[in-house]
Amino acid sequence: NAGVTQTPKFQVLKTGQSMTLQCAQDMNHNSMYWYRQDPGMGLRLIYYSASEGTTDKGEVPNGYNVSRLNKREFSLRLESAAPSQTSVYFCASSERLVRGYQETQYFGPGTRLLVL
Amino acid sequence: AQKITQTQPGMFVQEKEAVTLDCTYDTSDQSYGLFWYKQPSSGEMIFLIYQGSYDEQNATEGRYSLNFQKARKSANLVISASQLGDSAMYFCAMRERKTSYDKVIFGPGTSLSVIP
Repeated sequence: NAGVTQTPKFQVLKTGQSMTLQCAQDMNHNSMYWYRQDPGMGLRLIYYSASEGTTDKGEVPNGYNVSRLNKREFSLRLESAAPSQTSVYFCASSERLVRGYQETQYFGPGTRLLVL
Repeated sequence: AQKITQTQPGMFVQEKEAVTLDCTYDTSDQSYGLFWYKQPSSGEMIFLIYQGSYDEQNATEGRYSLNFQKARKSANLVISASQLGDSAMYFCAMRERKTSYDKVIFGPGTSLSVIP
């Protein structure tokens, strides 16, 4: 049981290049998320997917696209990278809350992206 | 408007003493959840504790407890018997349930340093 995995761990891009960040979870969770974390700040939600086949914008979606390929995988794409997208990207998954049940949100190890 | 407020950018605590990290939140939902996460210098996000809005008892997990005051909209984390390994960033987060998805919002974090 690997939990949430992300690839790559590190990436350096030039402005204008594109790339896809991969995320997979093996906990059979319905909900998946992409966050970015900038120095001195908490996590900000980029996109989320409540279930397979659905995606919605979060707080900072501009410059990104996502694909929920299946229940396990949720990818984040930067079509034309900009220096402002230099950040640490976290993928997470969770199960939908049912009243009275314990809940948590599992995070991947993060991808450190530098855009020059 | 900021939904999660953590007013303590940095905190110091003596080893073996207890420390309280503050978190206030803003929501009009009746059903929501509150999380605390720890992020050590290695970067991973570690789930600590969860409190549901309908839970009448404060959540506890080992040395972590959540002081939940619903009317005041506060969810403070209490760490008892601090250890050197507790030095890290701590994030408070809130999950709101929308019509068909769960949206998790993070606060800016509190940096905790445990002094030997």
